[in-house]
Amino acid sequence: GIQVEQSPPDLILQEGANSTLRCNFSDSVNNLQWFHQNPWGQLINLFYIPSGTKQNGRLSATTVATERYSLLYISSSQTTDSGVYFCAVKPLTGGGNKLTFGTGTQLKVEL
Amino acid sequence: KAGVTQTPRYLIKTRGQQVTLSCSPISGHRSVSWYQQTPGQGLQFLFEYFSETQRNKGNFPGRFSGRQFSNSRSEMNVSTLELGDSALYLCASSLLPEALRIYEQYFGPGTRLTVT
Repeated sequence: GIQVEQSPPDLILQEGANSTLRCNFSDSVNNLQWFHQNPWGQLINLFYIPSGTKQNGRLSATTVATERYSLLYISSSQTTDSGVYFCAVKPLTGGGNKLTFGTGTQLKVEL
Repeated sequence: KAGVTQTPRYLIKTRGQQVTLSCSPISGHRSVSWYQQTPGQGLQFLFEYFSETQRNKGNFPGRFSGRQFSNSRSEMNVSTLELGDSALYLCASSLLPEALRIYEQYFGPGTRLTVT
């Protein structure tokens, strides 16, 4: 099946710093989503971005489908950005709507 | 519009028992998927239901089953619980207008199952 790798696995930032999280995937996809998992476990949708670039406030994401990677940018980080960030993909081939998740990036933002 | 809801939120069961978890998708969404999250295995796909039919199944034993009702609500059942079934179970719904190729999934808050 499709493989999803996220880097870095852990990241510690000072409040106000910028960061880039990366997601590599091994096959063509027609769904790529970025999620933030809150301390209670809920996955919060950040971006639905199978290709192209999107921005939402301090967050932005870019997916280069032809090169099979996606980047999540966090600018001017805040302590509330702490948590785990997941990338999940659905391969182009194959039926159904199954998402395969990466192992996540654990982000901690300190004062 | 209300989000995906899951009940119960927390559950403690004993080995050998069975459990049923419930998921109500976003109104109008027709696809419901279930995922298991554990510290060791991460987030893994269990199964997907669309129009009351299982479309996709992950690599889990037959003790894990599910169904979808005509109103798109879904249940999953785990029989003969094992300690390793302790996990966060997440449900996701998707509108799935496949003609428009939009597959975005929205997740519920999860059910945290502890097996003792």
